[in-house]
Amino acid sequence: GAVVSQHPSWVICKSGTSVKIECRSLDFQATTMFWYRQFPKQSLMLMATSNEGSKATYEQGVEKDKFLINHASLTLSTLTVTSAHPEDSSFYICSAITTGGQETQYFGPGTRLLVL
Amino acid sequence: AQSVTQLDSHVSVSEGTPVLLRCNYSSSYSPSLFWYVQHPNKGLQLLLKYTSAATLVKGINGFEAEFKKSETSFHLTKPSAHMSDAAEYFCVVSDGYGNKLVFGAGTILRVKS
Repeated sequence: GAVVSQHPSWVICKSGTSVKIECRSLDFQATTMFWYRQFPKQSLMLMATSNEGSKATYEQGVEKDKFLINHASLTLSTLTVTSAHPEDSSFYICSAITTGGQETQYFGPGTRLLVL
Repeated sequence: AQSVTQLDSHVSVSEGTPVLLRCNYSSSYSPSLFWYVQHPNKGLQLLLKYTSAATLVKGINGFEAEFKKSETSFHLTKPSAHMSDAAEYFCVVSDGYGNKLVFGAGTILRVKS
């Protein structure tokens, strides 16, 4: 149980375009999902916390207008990288916690974004 | 604020020998601590977690970790390494409020045959 999927698993796009990444909890309902970013050879950095039906909470230094988050249902959160640039190339990982409020975060497999 | 220090960026062991991955934490609250493993191009998998119950925590794949408050440590161990254990390991702390996780820098474990 507690499986989280992400789509797509990798994406290549041109500079200036927007890219949408989906995060789904497959066998549980998630009131809260998290979006992380991982640069090569570095650890995960929390970008934002996404709560179903409300606005996301962004970490300091993360541009909310560039990284749009929508958590429209208890099983789906989306991250849209708007007007992507090469410096946005990274590994984006989402996680989710169950509606029971359990602390354990279940992570998706990640989405590798390359902006040319 | 919480923080995590993983003392070794790389650890290399021979197959069948013990594994020790070191982690020290800093937290203003009574922390929850986790170890996650990440295989190349894969998502993170939870190995084990400590949430103020027993200080010796047993996880999957034979791993365990001991919470030592006096040393602010949460080292990960395994008696006998297997080739499939080669991966990157992250020590993680949570304050339990809002479930925000803070990740250590990671330790890459290499297992030699």
